[in-house]
Amino acid sequence: DVKVTQSSRYLVKRTGEKVFLECVQDMDHENMFWYRQDPGLGLRLIYFSYDVKMKEKGDIPEGYSVSREKKERFSLILESASTNQTSMYLCASSLVVAGAPRQYFGPGTRLTVT
Amino acid sequence: AQTVTQSQPEMSVQEAETVTLSCTYDTSESDYYLFWYKQPPSRQMILVIRQEAYKQQNATENRFSVNFQKAAKSFSLKISDSQLGDAAMYFCASQGGSEKLVFGKGTKLTVNP
Repeated sequence: DVKVTQSSRYLVKRTGEKVFLECVQDMDHENMFWYRQDPGLGLRLIYFSYDVKMKEKGDIPEGYSVSREKKERFSLILESASTNQTSMYLCASSLVVAGAPRQYFGPGTRLTVT
Repeated sequence: AQTVTQSQPEMSVQEAETVTLSCTYDTSESDYYLFWYKQPPSRQMILVIRQEAYKQQNATENRFSVNFQKAAKSFSLKISDSQLGDAAMYFCASQGGSEKLVFGKGTKLTVNP
């Protein structure tokens, strides 16, 4: 079974703090993703990475950066956390199964910025 | 650009009954995939079912099936014999031209005993 883990289920940070959200997958997937999930807005892509040290902006990259130094690990960084970044953050990794792409999700990190 | 629209923010169904969740999409890709994901309360998002756009036959996974209408760009999910464990947020998503998924805003399904 594919396993995607995230470093924390719940996190509380103060405004202005630097925040690291870590994601690890154990199946040697090339592609990894960070999403933000808000009620009524669904999932929105922040950043994704298709290889080590490679990254591409998603739909809402402002205020975030990412790091992928090893294939299995993809980190999301909030350089200076703000209250409007309070949200659920989901990490995913993907591979092609039977000719079709499939994403596997982590359990999510609920971040509260006060 | 791809868009996915789920017009039903909430739905409810009686246990053992059938419910259909709606999804429409728009894409300029000729080769694409469509997905339904399930997110139970406080649990991980999992894939329910997927459809390759080039396949005319509707995908089926046990009690879950889709009605894929390519010309109408419609991709609805039918859940038969609903169970309490089906209660969740359901997200429709499309993928084409890249590894990125585009999600709808979700439908919250309640199953009443």
